Amino acid sequence: DTEVTQTPKHLVMGMTNKKSLKCEQHMGHRAMYWYKQKAKKPPELMFVYSYEKLSINESVPSRFSPECPNSSLLNLHLHALQPEDSALYLCASSQAGTDYQPQHFGDGTRLSIL
Amino acid sequence: AQKITQTQPGMFVQEKEAVTLDCTYDTSDQSYGLFWYKQPSSGEMIFLIYQGSYDEQNATEGRYSLNFQKARKSANLVISASQLGDSAMYFCAMGGTSYGKLTFGQGTILTVHP
Repeated sequence: DTEVTQTPKHLVMGMTNKKSLKCEQHMGHRAMYWYKQKAKKPPELMFVYSYEKLSINESVPSRFSPECPNSSLLNLHLHALQPEDSALYLCASSQAGTDYQPQHFGDGTRLSIL
Repeated sequence: AQKITQTQPGMFVQEKEAVTLDCTYDTSDQSYGLFWYKQPSSGEMIFLIYQGSYDEQNATEGRYSLNFQKARKSANLVISASQLGDSAMYFCAMGGTSYGKLTFGQGTILTVHP
């Protein structure tokens, strides 16, 4: 069983909708990540939070808005998405302060934009 | 800049045999970590094994071992006694001094035949 939980598992939305992806971890990790992954490609980093503060934004369009309400939760707010945003969105967490700790991933949310 | 190269887009192995998935890397960092992840078709990204650049012993985790050859900049994954459930995409990844960033290879799709 994964210790990083993502909801929903599947999401279909129109280009004018507003929705949110949620991620929760109970591993005591203080770094959390959002990735976007297209089919048969490696994950692409979107955002990194460290100690609840945004530390990396990989030039992600503003229609994606991350939020870290506390050390266990990470949200990704979606608004006015484009069809090319359809992908698997993965959340991950790790111990903070080093690159050498493995990131633990959730099962992902499969997002389809109509 | 870091780079991970996985030269095998697809690999086939017979059940119960061993298989090696290749990974070479390039980095100017003196200290770094190497990771392998498994991603079944269902989408979850599963952490398998980690090797630190200063570790003298090759990492092992159950049926997984990492053949680390620092001078050749290679970090191959060896799976012993393959099982049907090993069929998945496998990603090699590196973490270095760019905090929070993992550099992924393009992945290798492993198919285990009965």
